[in-house]
Amino acid sequence: DARVTQTPRHKVTEMGQEVTMRCQPILGHNTVFWYRQTMMQGLELLAYFRNRAPLDDSGMPKDRFSAEMPDATLATLKIQPSEPRDSAVYFCASGLSYTEAFFGQGTRLTVV
Amino acid sequence: ILNVEQSPQSLHVQEGDSTNFTCSFPSSNFYALHWYRWETAKSPEALFVMTLNGDEKKKGRISATLNTKEGYSYLYIKGSQPEDSATYLCASPRNSGNTPLVFGKGTRLSVIA
Repeated sequence: DARVTQTPRHKVTEMGQEVTMRCQPILGHNTVFWYRQTMMQGLELLAYFRNRAPLDDSGMPKDRFSAEMPDATLATLKIQPSEPRDSAVYFCASGLSYTEAFFGQGTRLTVV
Repeated sequence: ILNVEQSPQSLHVQEGDSTNFTCSFPSSNFYALHWYRWETAKSPEALFVMTLNGDEKKKGRISATLNTKEGYSYLYIKGSQPEDSATYLCASPRNSGNTPLVFGKGTRLSVIA
């Protein structure tokens, strides 16, 4: 049963620390998305990739967030330094087109 | 910027009741409308993709309709069951079929046994 895998599922960290979230997209999917879920904003698009190339990361705070795809089986989202306002659930999704999104189970991040 | 709005924000219904909620989107430059179901601690899962005005899709007790001229879609659940409790999200592509989905904030449904 193909699925998007995200690690870790939960992360509690102190303000100022670096956080790295990982995503393994479904094999063969060439489009990868990072979304963030908060109570206030709902699901916000942070960044997305096509064939590992970043297409748009305008949804991310540039000074502290970075997203990469070192290879076709791994996408990473890094926050450095983390702040309490970054607390949210971060979802990775993958698909074969821009409008097809199969979601992982998310990483729940708490920054204290 | 595309705005996808959902109402109500949350809903409590008794088991056996039928219910419905709304997704609104700009009617100009419409491309597609997606419905997702998101259970707590699980991944959002796709329910329907709708593209044509007047489309109606059905999966078991859940159905959805689409009106692209006036910019809304309804999701209906017939005879709600506790396992229907979830957040229902709708989404539409940001600009065209070549851009990612923009999501509404969802309707959280609780079905009380």
